[in-house]
Amino acid sequence: IAGITQAPTSQILAAGRRMTLRCTQDMRHNAMYWYRQDLGLGLRLIHYSNTAGTTGKGEVPDGYSVSRANTDDFPLTLASAVPSQTSVYFCASSDSLGFLTGELFFGEGSRLTVL
Amino acid sequence: QKEVEQDPGPLSVPEGAIVSLNCTYSNSAFQYFMWYRQYSRKGPELLMYTYSSGNKEDGRFTAQVDKSSKYISLFIRDSQPSDSATYLCAMSVRMDSSYKLIFGSGTRLLVRP
Repeated sequence: IAGITQAPTSQILAAGRRMTLRCTQDMRHNAMYWYRQDLGLGLRLIHYSNTAGTTGKGEVPDGYSVSRANTDDFPLTLASAVPSQTSVYFCASSDSLGFLTGELFFGEGSRLTVL
Repeated sequence: QKEVEQDPGPLSVPEGAIVSLNCTYSNSAFQYFMWYRQYSRKGPELLMYTYSSGNKEDGRFTAQVDKSSKYISLFIRDSQPSDSATYLCAMSVRMDSSYKLIFGSGTRLLVRP
């Protein structure tokens, strides 16, 4: 069982370019999340989805969009990348109570550098 | 002021030492308290979670919550080099129909052989 698969693992991107980070889970979890992790700031929630077909904004949603067409996939799109979006991005999933109990399953991360 | 504060370290200890990792928080409404371990260039993995105050033990790991002091701890007994990682605390609270989950910024631990 793979759990959470993220792609790409690493990417260097020119400012202004569009980029989609992919995330797939095979645990049939209802909820999925996108976090960014920056030194000294910890994990910050970008967007989340409680179930297929619904999405919500997290703590730092500006400049990012998500979609949840089905249970397994939760792509994150940067419409026009800026250098401040240089970060490590983690996708996570959980069952319906996971956000309360903290039982989130994380992917390996996607390292994005915007120049 | 951050809702959850965690010393970034690094904390360097010899193999076999007892390690104490701590977080403080400001929101007294937090209900669930978690500890995650994150190896270098990997995603965080949940070690354990506790509800409300008290202790919870899992092998060499003990999580302790003191809600009166707004302070949580993770103790690692007989620390091993394989415990070298960044440890993130996290805590959550139910808000109406949703939940709020806040992570600390992590403490880097190095266990020397």
